[in-house]
Amino acid sequence: QQPVQSPQAVILREGEDAVINCSSSKALYSVHWYRQKHGEAPVFLMILLKGGEQKGHEKISASFNEKKQQSSLYLTASQLSYSGTYFCGTAPPDSWGKLQFGAGTQVVVTP
Amino acid sequence: DGGITQSPKYLFRKEGQNVTLSCEQNLNHDAMYWYRQDPGQGLRLIYYSQIVNDFQKGDIAEGYSVSREKKESFPLTVTSAQKNPTAFYLCASSIFRDYNEQFFGPGTRLTVL
Repeated sequence: QQPVQSPQAVILREGEDAVINCSSSKALYSVHWYRQKHGEAPVFLMILLKGGEQKGHEKISASFNEKKQQSSLYLTASQLSYSGTYFCGTAPPDSWGKLQFGAGTQVVVTP
Repeated sequence: DGGITQSPKYLFRKEGQNVTLSCEQNLNHDAMYWYRQDPGQGLRLIYYSQIVNDFQKGDIAEGYSVSREKKESFPLTVTSAQKNPTAFYLCASSIFRDYNEQFFGPGTRLTVL
């Protein structure tokens, strides 16, 4: 079943922060985050595995709460290059790489 | 350079015609995937393959077919049975393991007239 992302869209000024949430009704083994620019392929940001770990990629970080089956992506001090649509992909145990993607969160960063 | 190629980037077909989308990777990945993306929506899995000569249906396999005769290649055929084939099609590959990142190709935008 498809994970639920929120919000659907967010508009930021350069330098502001934002949080994107991803919730699943199933137990999860891993959560993947991707960013897609219009008309292009999704680009991998990071994977989080069960255990509640937190990861970072420059000023983009994420957390994974296994018990709540939720993950959050944090955009800190946003830059113009952060604009795009962010997707979470979730995988239950024994899914062997098969992901269910959320509908996406559109992020627009303005000067 | 290693990567995934999809061709063509844009494809136009008349209704009722079958069409095959190409996907090739030189990353030595075992697993390959086909996704469909409609405007404003996420990626939906059509078919996936974890090993040569084997593939499984994803969530929306009806009206599509695939083959996996070589490790590097995973072509997708959109048949005339697919009710609404106009969409953006993305191919991806990964190491065959349960938590590896998927690498995506540039996509093919199919328009059926």
